[in-house]
Amino acid sequence: VQLEQSGAEVKKPGESLKISCKGLGYRFSDHWLGWMRQRPGGGLEWMGIIYPGDSDTRYSPSFQGQVIMSVDKSINTAYLQWSSLKASDTALYYCARLYTDLFGDAFETWGQGTVVTVSS
Amino acid sequence: YELTQPPSVSVSPGQTARITCSGHALPQQYAYWYQQKTGQAPVLVIYKDTQRPSGIPERFSASTSGTTATLTISGVQAEDEANYFCQSTDRSHIPYVFGPGTKVTVL
Repeated sequence: VQLEQSGAEVKKPGESLKISCKGLGYRFSDHWLGWMRQRPGGGLEWMGIIYPGDSDTRYSPSFQGQVIMSVDKSINTAYLQWSSLKASDTALYYCARLYTDLFGDAFETWGQGTVVTVSS
Repeated sequence: YELTQPPSVSVSPGQTARITCSGHALPQQYAYWYQQKTGQAPVLVIYKDTQRPSGIPERFSASTSGTTATLTISGVQAEDEANYFCQSTDRSHIPYVFGPGTKVTVL
């Protein structure tokens, strides 16, 4: 089981961005995927979760309206996108799998992270 | 909802490190623990309060008492130096809440 995330991005404020997370080695449609943000030197913040089977999404109030989560289950890939980046979006973004039947609310497999840098 | 952790814990090799996580809903909700080494993604080390995923060394254990969950690392090794985050919920607006993390330094 692996989650493979897209590579580092450097963007300017106001630009759009879509990063990806590909699930490997398991039935992608059967498990919720979460997105977390980690600012430099900081802790983890939960952004939201998406169920690839039907694209059901739940956003953290802090991120509702700021990002969009989506999925293309035909290629086992989830996405996190911004329409207009801000400098404050500079962070490391992780996707992680929930396997609720076994692990409850734990994110038991994590991607390697995608660094997003927003700077003029 | 907030989870509280001490910023840092220092321990000598072979000794025991204990990391606490406090939250008012912990008596009703599970605690989860992650290890994050520098430059790496988090790794789940404890789920559902006390359960250890396969591949996690037996020296990692956890317990809960009232509003505090505790991660214990017995016989600490140099490779255990990392940040440790707890996670839980109070089942209100935010179902996944992380603590601020505790930096474990092996002296």
